[in-house]
Amino acid sequence: DIQMTQSPSSLSASVGDRVTITCRASQSIGTYLHWYQQKAGKVPKLLIYSASTLQSGVPSRFSGRGSGTDFTLTISSLQPEDFATYHCHQSYNIPYTFGQGTKLEIK
Amino acid sequence: QVQLQESGPGLVKPSETLSLTCGVSGYSIGSGYYWAWIRQPPGKGLEWIGSVFHGTTQYNPSLKGRVTLSMDTSTNQFSLKLTTVSAADTAVYYCARHASGWPGSNDYWGQGALVTVSS
Repeated sequence: DIQMTQSPSSLSASVGDRVTITCRASQSIGTYLHWYQQKAGKVPKLLIYSASTLQSGVPSRFSGRGSGTDFTLTISSLQPEDFATYHCHQSYNIPYTFGQGTKLEIK
Repeated sequence: QVQLQESGPGLVKPSETLSLTCGVSGYSIGSGYYWAWIRQPPGKGLEWIGSVFHGTTQYNPSLKGRVTLSMDTSTNQFSLKLTTVSAADTAVYYCARHASGWPGSNDYWGQGALVTVSS
C-alpha cells in the first residue's frame, strides 16, 4: 500500500497568515493527489484534484503543487472559515489511501 | 446538483452484517463515474472501502473479503455489505462519487452515516 504522510499533524495560525501543509507519498504517484477540507462534524469537501487543479467554487487563496512523492497545499491568507482538518488522498494505486490529516487551529 | 444520501441501521451487533445504501439524485449512476464507500472511525482518518461501477468492483484488501458492493441503476442506488463486523468497524460511513482513473478524486459526498458495532 502507498503510505501518505502529512506534516504537520496540527498547526496553529492566525487569520491572514499564509500556511502550507505537506503530504509525502511512500512511492511516486505522479499527480494522482487530491486535497479535502473537513470541518468538525462535517463532510469532507474536495478542494484540489490532480495535485494543483482547484475544484469549482473553491476560493483562489487555496493552491496545490507537487508531483511524484512531495505535495503541498497552501492557503495564501487564512480566513476564519478555513480552520478545519485537511486530508490528502492518492488515487494512483489500489488501495486508495489518505493521509492522517492536518488539523488547522486558530492561534 | 448531485446529491448522495446514506441510509441503513445505525447499530449492528458484533459478527453480523452491516448494510448501507446510498441514494443518488441529480445524476444517473449508470452514466459514468465509479461510486465509492469511505469510512472514518471516530477521531481518526479516512479509509477507502471500495468502489463500484456496474459489474466492476474495486475493494480495499485490508477488509479481507468481507465487503460486497453493488449498484442498482433502476433505483439509482448503490450498496455496501460488510460481514462479520467488530467494534473496529464502528465509523461514519460515507458514500461518494469517484472519478476512477483520471483524476481519481471524490467530488460529491453523502452526509455520512454513523454505524456503531455493539451488542
